Amino acid sequence: NAGVTQTPKFRILKIGQSMTLQCTQDMNHNYMYWYRQDPGMGLKLIYYSVGAGITDKGEVPNGYNVSRSTTEDFPLRLELAAPSQTSVYFCASYPGNSYNEQFFGPGTRLTVL
Amino acid sequence: AQKITQTQPGMFVQEKEAVTLDCTYDTSDPSYGLFWYKQPSSGEMIFLIYQGSYDQQNATEGRYSLNFQKARKSANLVISASQLGDSAMYFCAMREGTGRRALTFGSGTRLQVQP
Repeated sequence: NAGVTQTPKFRILKIGQSMTLQCTQDMNHNYMYWYRQDPGMGLKLIYYSVGAGITDKGEVPNGYNVSRSTTEDFPLRLELAAPSQTSVYFCASYPGNSYNEQFFGPGTRLTVL
Repeated sequence: AQKITQTQPGMFVQEKEAVTLDCTYDTSDPSYGLFWYKQPSSGEMIFLIYQGSYDQQNATEGRYSLNFQKARKSANLVISASQLGDSAMYFCAMREGTGRRALTFGSGTRLQVQP
């Protein structure tokens, strides 16, 4: 199993550009999450999904959109990038069993100039 | 709302000694999970240890143990016999027992192990 994969690993955007961060998991997990980590801080929840076709906002959703058409994929869309979106983005998945941790992808480091 | 507090921005420890990283939490949910993750300089999030709110015994995983004091709402991580490779950021996190099951993270503690 590859676990949770994210692409790209690094990206530099200009202000106003758009992009999609890809996230795929091969563990058949129902729950998937997007977090962002600003320098020197903990992770904050952007969006989450409890299954295919079901998504909802987390604590910091402004400027982002998500979709979940399959169990495996949970892309994060940035529209009109702003410098405040410079961050490291982590995708995670979770099977729903109380005694399992969330499995994190390697992260995408995004810089908006 | 759930909240995690880590009051130690940075800690130093000598190699082979034990160190305790503090974590306090606040929640009104009777069912929750507490986690510790390690983030080395390479950036990935590495799961270390989990404690359920109904677990009677403190969790242990190798050199890691979680000192769970429910009445005090604390979940401190104890690392025994520190190694140079333990130098990293450490995050305490809490998962809601129902609903979205997302993690709420603390601000982290940077641990530096000195030879």
